[in-house]
Amino acid sequence: DTGVSQNPRHKITKRGQNVTFRCDPISEHNRLYWYRQTLGQGPEFLTYFQNEAQLEKSRLLSDRFSAERPKGSFSTLEIQRTEQGDSAMYLCASSLGELPNYGYTFGSGTRLTVV
Amino acid sequence: EDQVTQSPEALRLQEGESSSLNCSYTVSGLRGLFWYRQDPGKGPEFLFTLYSAGEEKEKERLKATLTKKESFLHITAPKPEDSATYLCAVQARNPGYSTLTFGKGTMLLVSP
Repeated sequence: DTGVSQNPRHKITKRGQNVTFRCDPISEHNRLYWYRQTLGQGPEFLTYFQNEAQLEKSRLLSDRFSAERPKGSFSTLEIQRTEQGDSAMYLCASSLGELPNYGYTFGSGTRLTVV
Repeated sequence: EDQVTQSPEALRLQEGESSSLNCSYTVSGLRGLFWYRQDPGKGPEFLFTLYSAGEEKEKERLKATLTKKESFLHITAPKPEDSATYLCAVQARNPGYSTLTFGKGTMLLVSP
């Protein structure tokens, strides 16, 4: 297993379009997290899955954002009607168990640019 | 609300010049404090977890320490390959016990 995989690595879209990102976690990890990072800032939590159940959502996650993890394997994050403020790096992480005893392994992220 | 403040924002060192990065935190109850390293265009890479005041952990040229209000990442005799952004994050007891609150990071540049 080569770690957490995110696709695409880069996405440029026009304002108002919908985009979808994919995250493939480490195969035995049952917890999956989405974070967003803008330039010069630390990552901000968006949402968390344990297996296929979405257990936590940040208030940052507006109605335009939706995340799924069907069958508890890969996850998708969709942003509808993108806005320029959505431009950021979207990071996915997975873990084998509960924090703090099991740390996150992050993917390399999907960089979204909304023009 | 949980808060993490890192200083300095940026630090430039000569190779071999030791220094420390600071992470001050305010949380409702600390379950763990985490240090990550992030290279440009990459996701954060885990370095350490600290659980309670007085704890120390070491890895190569890095040593992390924890008090009740802050954590330090000491870098001894750094090399150019240590150049990266170092992120500090906290996990609070409640709520959001499965999530991390990150600081903005310290960008470290080590010159040969």
